[in-house]
Amino acid sequence: NAGVTQTPKFQVLKTGQSMTLQCAQDMNHNSMYWYRQDPGMGLRLIYYSASEGTTDKGEVPNGYNVSRLNKREFSLRLESAAPSQTSVYFCASSEQGALHYGYTFGSGTRLTVV
Amino acid sequence: AQSVAQPEDQVNVAEGNPLTVKCTYSVSGNPYLFWYVQYPNRGLQFLLKYITGDNLVKGSYGFEAEFNKSQTSFHLKKPSALVSDSALYFCAVRLNSGNTPLVFGKGTRLSVIA
Repeated sequence: NAGVTQTPKFQVLKTGQSMTLQCAQDMNHNSMYWYRQDPGMGLRLIYYSASEGTTDKGEVPNGYNVSRLNKREFSLRLESAAPSQTSVYFCASSEQGALHYGYTFGSGTRLTVV
Repeated sequence: AQSVAQPEDQVNVAEGNPLTVKCTYSVSGNPYLFWYVQYPNRGLQFLLKYITGDNLVKGSYGFEAEFNKSQTSFHLKKPSALVSDSALYFCAVRLNSGNTPLVFGKGTRLSVIA
């Protein structure tokens, strides 16, 4: 089925470890986004890529890096994980220029940093 | 800057009764407004949107929302709640120009009691 695929679905890291969250979409969307979801905080934007070759910081970028590998893939990297990065991470995509279409979301990655 | 407020963390309603989930927004221009729903351990799913035109918009699963420009509100409603409507609901806003990302509210947990 067409949509946004995130891997892994679950991950436990030790403080200081690094990892990359993968996201791929097969809808030919130009724009991709990474959000984190925390209880009582809603969804907060970490980074986004309006189009292939561009990335921009969102509301909470510290401690993260991103790579827009190609039009389909947008990865999120934690270089040195901290307990404060325990969260559920969602990737989303949308059609650039079609502001009225909203987003398609992946099913999320639940990350625990111990 | 854009912002969204969902003043209620939790809404409880009896099955068969009407439900309202409140949302107010702030943008420096004309908004596009969205409602998303999140079921447990799932990603966000699109419910409905306001782009332009009729202030009352209808969406999936019998939900509707009313855009009120003077009150800067976009409340989600349903005439008769179902137990299966129990979920987390997010309101989101973006400007209708440029390519600014969606800004989400903190979410409202709806609990429909049989």
